[in-house]
Amino acid sequence: TQTVSQSDAHVTVFEGDSVELRCNYSYGGSIYLSWYIQHHGRGLQFLLKYYSGNPVVQGVNGFEAEFSKSDSSFHLRKASVHWSDSAVYFCAVSAAQGGRALIFGTGTTVSVSP
Amino acid sequence: ETAVFQTPNYHVTQVGNEVSFNCKQTLGHDTMYWYKQDSKKLLKIMFSYNNKQLIVNETVPRRFSPQSSDKAHLNLRIKSVEPEDSAVYLCASSQETGISNERLFFGHGTKLSVL
Repeated sequence: TQTVSQSDAHVTVFEGDSVELRCNYSYGGSIYLSWYIQHHGRGLQFLLKYYSGNPVVQGVNGFEAEFSKSDSSFHLRKASVHWSDSAVYFCAVSAAQGGRALIFGTGTTVSVSP
Repeated sequence: ETAVFQTPNYHVTQVGNEVSFNCKQTLGHDTMYWYKQDSKKLLKIMFSYNNKQLIVNETVPRRFSPQSSDKAHLNLRIKSVEPEDSAVYLCASSQETGISNERLFFGHGTKLSVL
């Protein structure tokens, strides 16, 4: 069984600051990891994914994430946030084979102040 | 650009009523899902369905049932709603590849309020 945890429920940053959102997972096999963003009143939108290869993956709008097998982590980062980055961010995990549905973390709400 | 369409956007009903939510995807995907998102933003998978298999989360009450006429549509029916069913219901679709379901496309959600 895969599990995913996001330790920060809420993060507040100023526009132009960098931000890192933490995600840790547990699973014994090959794993597929991704991040999604949800703006208020909307559905989730895909940001980026990792399955294999380069542990640092680039996503849309300047987001990147780094996979660490030793730490069982897949943290999301952005070097300089914009007010429009205010949203809820979800880390997701699934077994790499079998077509299983994604299991989502509890989400981190990011508030960007001007 | 939205490619997963959900109706209605909102629905208010009373305990014991039957409700049905519609979902259509225009991406040609072969797998569709229903997720429930509660007031704390927690997301739980309810069903995943393709033309081969329906997978039900065992924690979903039996009053919930998915209904599909073809691979582009997956509706959700709740036979007799309960107060704890108040939530946002998110429909999603994906294309199965050899590597899991790589990316989900979500609709905007249907918010259900049970009085």
